[in-house]
Amino acid sequence: DADVTQTPRNRITKTGKRIMLECSQTKGHDRMYWYRQDPGLGLRLIYYSFDVKDINKGEISDGYSVSRQAQAKFSLSLESAIPNQTALYFCATSDGVGSLETQYFGPGTRLLVL
Amino acid sequence: ILNVEQSPQSLHVQEGDSTNFTCSFPSSNFYALHWYRWETAKSPEALFVMTLNGDEKKKGRISATLNTKEGYSYLYIKGSQPEDSATYLCAFMAHSGGGADGLTFGKGTHLIIQP
Repeated sequence: DADVTQTPRNRITKTGKRIMLECSQTKGHDRMYWYRQDPGLGLRLIYYSFDVKDINKGEISDGYSVSRQAQAKFSLSLESAIPNQTALYFCATSDGVGSLETQYFGPGTRLLVL
Repeated sequence: ILNVEQSPQSLHVQEGDSTNFTCSFPSSNFYALHWYRWETAKSPEALFVMTLNGDEKKKGRISATLNTKEGYSYLYIKGSQPEDSATYLCAFMAHSGGGADGLTFGKGTHLIIQP
């Protein structure tokens, strides 16, 4: 079983709809992240959380919100989806062990906003 | 916004040849530099995490060096094989007051190994 799972894997939605992308992990890590990937732009950080009570904005948080429901779950919401939020979204976790921490990525959610 | 640059953007290499590519990052406030390998239709997977100036890491035919004073890291692949075809991402982690923030990724070097 995968350590970091994302649901759904693919989603098509319409402009103005609210959608939620979910991430679950069985690695027991405190730190969780949401990134988006756009062609030619690399991975960009949306939000991150260092524990259940901690939420931090990343580079491109506008238009997104997150919820850390438990150590194992970190959800990303688009309150009112717009076409330029069409992208590949990755969730990641890390153990936060000082400067040697490694991030472990989920399989990605491909989102298309029409 | 931190500037992390990778070059070249894409690279075609003949099977058996060796190759290398570059990641440039801010030389101040350095905490760590990560290298990830990202195969098509899969998730990025960590290759190396480097923290000290002069660090050298090696995993099989792949190695990396780090120069934090001048802000660059090289990734080397020796004797390229078709399975090395992937996008190689570097990511910079800056030191913040409470530890470190998330990673700032470069755009990647897309490597294609031609048989």
